[in-house]
Amino acid sequence: KQEVTQIPAALSVPEGENLVLNCSFTDSAIYNLQWFRQDPGKGLTSLLLIQSSQREQTSGRLNASLDKSSGRSTLYIAASQPGDSATYLCAVFSGGGADGLTFGKGTHLIIQP
Amino acid sequence: DVKVTQSSRYLVKRTGEKVFLECVQDMDHENMFWYRQDPGLGLRLIYFSYDVKMKEKGDIPEGYSVSREKKERFSLILESASTNQTSMYLCASRSTGLWGYTFGSGTRLTVV
Repeated sequence: KQEVTQIPAALSVPEGENLVLNCSFTDSAIYNLQWFRQDPGKGLTSLLLIQSSQREQTSGRLNASLDKSSGRSTLYIAASQPGDSATYLCAVFSGGGADGLTFGKGTHLIIQP
Repeated sequence: DVKVTQSSRYLVKRTGEKVFLECVQDMDHENMFWYRQDPGLGLRLIYFSYDVKMKEKGDIPEGYSVSREKKERFSLILESASTNQTSMYLCASRSTGLWGYTFGSGTRLTVV
């Protein structure tokens, strides 16, 4: 059964720093990986989707990489801002029908002004 | 922008009540999902549907049922609400193929 782990569970950094969030998964047979952002009490907002054939995706200050062979993905946030404070969730789609999305527990990120 | 809309942001219901959570998507997606999210447990799949009138159990279906009479609408039903069903409920949809998921804004349900 696919398992997704996110490290660290929580992170607090000063504004302006570049930072990396990590996601690892146990079964490398995935179709794609999706990074989400969740603000307190809100739903999930999709940030980036990486297909299994891709190595990375970029959107603005965000860059996500995927290494299927090692079962890892990283989310790089450049020049962090207080508005980036949120929980970041990694999810992998392993196929097997419509239900194959497995989530990590998330990284709670605080950017100090 | 594509959207998944959950009809209520906050709900407070009494134990034993029948509760309906509604979700509507405007993207013509075939697949729709209901998750619940609890601190320390993460997101857990309750039910999903890959077509109209079709439904499949997820990881934690006990105490829940679903209805999908139209492609755009997927309802989660708590037949007799209990306090352990107090949670954040998230609806999502996805097109068939290797596309990403789109989530709604969530419904915070409190059962008293």
